[in-house]
Amino acid sequence: AQSVTQLDSQVPVFEEAPVELRCNYSSSVSVYLFWYVQYPNQGLQLLLKYLSGSTLVESINGFEAEFNKSQTSFHLRKPSVHISDTAEYFCAVTRMDSSYKLIFGSGTRLLVRP
Amino acid sequence: EAGVAQSPRYKIIEKRQSVAFWCNPISGHATLYWYQQILGQGPKLLIQFQNNGVVDDSQLPKDRFSAERLKGVDSTLKIQPAKLEDSAVYLCASSPDQNLGYTFGSGTRLTVV
Repeated sequence: AQSVTQLDSQVPVFEEAPVELRCNYSSSVSVYLFWYVQYPNQGLQLLLKYLSGSTLVESINGFEAEFNKSQTSFHLRKPSVHISDTAEYFCAVTRMDSSYKLIFGSGTRLLVRP
Repeated sequence: EAGVAQSPRYKIIEKRQSVAFWCNPISGHATLYWYQQILGQGPKLLIQFQNNGVVDDSQLPKDRFSAERLKGVDSTLKIQPAKLEDSAVYLCASSPDQNLGYTFGSGTRLTVV
């Protein structure tokens, strides 16, 4: 079975500071990896995903995540955050050989302060 | 393209009552998912449909939850009778033919009192 651990339930940070949201996963088979963002009272939006190829993936709004197979991690980073980045961030995995059922972590609330 | 539509947005019911949620996926998306998101937790898959057939319902509490997807388009999720621990946001998502292009709806927030 797969599992996802997000070590930080909440990360407070000042505007324009860098941030890293941590994600570790456990799986006996190869997986695809995702980060989703959830703004208040909204559904989940895909932020970025790792399927294959380059281990560094980027989103259109400045976030990036790096797949580290040896450490089974997929940490999310942004060099300079904005107030508008305040949201809940979920890391998720799915088995490559499955029906693409997503297994989510418990989420990290990013709180950006002015 | 239009997104995944869900209704109602909010629902408050008393325990032991029944409730139903509705989802209209993106047109042409063959795969439909229902997830349950309890406050402070990540979403958990309840059931997955491929067209009008069930692919995975291993985590659906079948003694009280049921779901159907007639004609392979809209879907309804029902809870009967509801318990306090069913308070959660119920998210519907769809994708074309089990690929990785999930689109989530805004969810239905259920409060059981």
